Amino acid sequence: EIVMTQSGGTLSVSPGERVTLSCRASQNIAGNLAWYQQKPGQAPSLLIYGASTRATGIPARFSGSGSGTEFTLTISSLQSEDFAVYYCQQYSLWPPSITFGQGTRLDIK
Amino acid sequence: QVQLVQSAAEVKRPGASVKVSCKASGLTLSTTGISWVRQAPGQGLEWMGWINGNNGNTQSSQKVQGRLTLTTDPSTAYMELRSLGSDDTAVYYCAKGVGSTDAFEIWGQGTMVIVSS
Repeated sequence: EIVMTQSGGTLSVSPGERVTLSCRASQNIAGNLAWYQQKPGQAPSLLIYGASTRATGIPARFSGSGSGTEFTLTISSLQSEDFAVYYCQQYSLWPPSITFGQGTRLDIK
Repeated sequence: QVQLVQSAAEVKRPGASVKVSCKASGLTLSTTGISWVRQAPGQGLEWMGWINGNNGNTQSSQKVQGRLTLTTDPSTAYMELRSLGSDDTAVYYCAKGVGSTDAFEIWGQGTMVIVSS
């Protein structure tokens, strides 16, 4: 099983700041990496797939990069609605064997 | 507009089974795959399994393999989990990927399953 490790745990950041979240895969997953945002009481929402493609309706302040084993999600200027938990997910194997990172929480400083 | 609407919350005794449904609108499940993901209270996301709506092929995680049955008809996907324990208490989600990927763009609203004696 591929293990996904997210750094940071909880990050306290201020609105307007730029923040970069990291995700590492235990083996090469090429670009088969997605990022999700989850707010309390809601289902996760897809932000990025294919490591760098924004999902439909996602603002340009969200960007993803990386390939292989190292990936990042950058939010260029934090808005109040961005304070949430973020998960990375790999979907590289066939047949499907999907794993998520443990999540990084963004809190308001 | 594509939507997945799940069945209502359930309370089950340890050792029982639960079956959760996921009704699709705006798409036919025979043309896509559906995954099931769960989230224990205060915890992260855990992928449980996947069903190919076209041919019924399934895959499941090692953690639930042997206890999980996934089925589908043209409009509804079903997840049945047997021999429930307290660590199965979670919100269960169905989800559909973008195109042929397993990056989940469409999620059901979630079904809370509580396992308690």
